[in-house]
Amino acid sequence: SYVLTQPPSVSVAPGQTARITCGGDNIGSKAVHWYQQKSGQAPVLVVYDDTHRPSGIPDRFSGSNSGNTATLTISRVEAGDEADYYCQVWDPVFGGGTKLTVL
Amino acid sequence: QVQLQQSGPGLVKPSQTLSLTCAISGDSVSSDSAAWNWIRQSPSRGLEWLGRTYYRSTWYNGYAVSVKSRITIKPDTSKNQFYLQLDSVTPEDTAVYYCARDSGSFLPFDYWGQGILVTVSS
Repeated sequence: SYVLTQPPSVSVAPGQTARITCGGDNIGSKAVHWYQQKSGQAPVLVVYDDTHRPSGIPDRFSGSNSGNTATLTISRVEAGDEADYYCQVWDPVFGGGTKLTVL
Repeated sequence: QVQLQQSGPGLVKPSQTLSLTCAISGDSVSSDSAAWNWIRQSPSRGLEWLGRTYYRSTWYNGYAVSVKSRITIKPDTSKNQFYLQLDSVTPEDTAVYYCARDSGSFLPFDYWGQGILVTVSS
């Protein structure tokens, strides 16, 4: 089955930019979705179809996808962005998740 | 606004059947564009899609290979909800179980239930 690879953790200072990657074989040919999961809560969709944001998601969240890597970018990081982030494509399959720590 | 409300037991004995319910508000289980999914999450397996049911003039199901021999997902149109049944559970089935909606293949899971921790233990 298709495998998505994410770094276990990313750390960033408030106000800086966080980039979370999701690797997969020719993932650029697939639609990638990103979810934010805060402790004890269900996942929330933050980016879909590589680059689109659902209503209510700040424009600080953006995505890109090319080649073998998709990337979720969070600009001007805030303390409230601290969470686990997961990428997903159809099979469906999820990446292993990346814990974002705001220093 | 779509809301999914989950219910079911939090403890199941090994070899028995895990049964959960997901009640839908703000949409219809018989929608001809949405699909209704079960996803679980555990430390060892991460987020794992289990299966879905959807209506496109008739009812369809799709199941993950890992659980295909043990899983049933059924709609209940009279109550606007859907069910998960997982047979012959083992401790490896211990996880938080979520129901979720997608609006079609290749589209994301845009609404999720609150999650239920199900522990398989004697």
